[in-house]
Amino acid sequence: QKEVEQNSGPLSVPEGAIASLNCTYSDRGSQSFFWYRQYSGKSPELIMFIYSNGDKEDGRFTAQLNKASQYVSLLIRDSQPSDSATYLCAVMEYGNKLVFGAGTILRVKS
Amino acid sequence: DGGITQSPKYLFRKEGQNVTLSCEQNLNHDAMYWYRQDPGQGLRLIYYSQIVNDFQKGDIAEGYSVSREKKESFPLTVTSAQKNPTAFYLCASQDRGHSYNEQFFGPGTRLTVL
Repeated sequence: QKEVEQNSGPLSVPEGAIASLNCTYSDRGSQSFFWYRQYSGKSPELIMFIYSNGDKEDGRFTAQLNKASQYVSLLIRDSQPSDSATYLCAVMEYGNKLVFGAGTILRVKS
Repeated sequence: DGGITQSPKYLFRKEGQNVTLSCEQNLNHDAMYWYRQDPGQGLRLIYYSQIVNDFQKGDIAEGYSVSREKKESFPLTVTSAQKNPTAFYLCASQDRGHSYNEQFFGPGTRLTVL
């Protein structure tokens, strides 16, 4: 069983700070990696995807991938209270199946 | 508007009953998926379908059944054999031809066993 591990949190950061969310995965052959945001009682929505080593930036969000270390992270700059949610890391398996981590709860305090 | 719809939003089931959760998409996606989410946990794959008239078991298929007779529809039946069905059920679809294979999620159905 391929695994995706995340720290469950909660991760608490003050408004305006950088939030750093981390994820490790077990399948060295994985190629595509996704970060979803999920508000309480709602369905997940895609924040970022990445498939090349290095950094990928989109607005306040930066995804970082290190395939050698089997590690993917999400940085949120200038964190806002509206960023408070659960962040799910997902890894694409062969056959277009996503394997999800349990999620990290982020709380941004104003 | 293109999207994925799930119904009902809330569903209550008595023990021993079968219930069917609806999932419809108008995104013209080939692939569709059913996930289950329990409190404090990630999503676990129940069944998936890459094309009409074909579907595969996911990691937790026992006690569930699906059909894929139309491209737009992928209903999930929770049978009485599923011993602990209370959970949040999410349907997703994916354009297999898309470069990064994003899965789009419906709003979910919350199932409670009475």
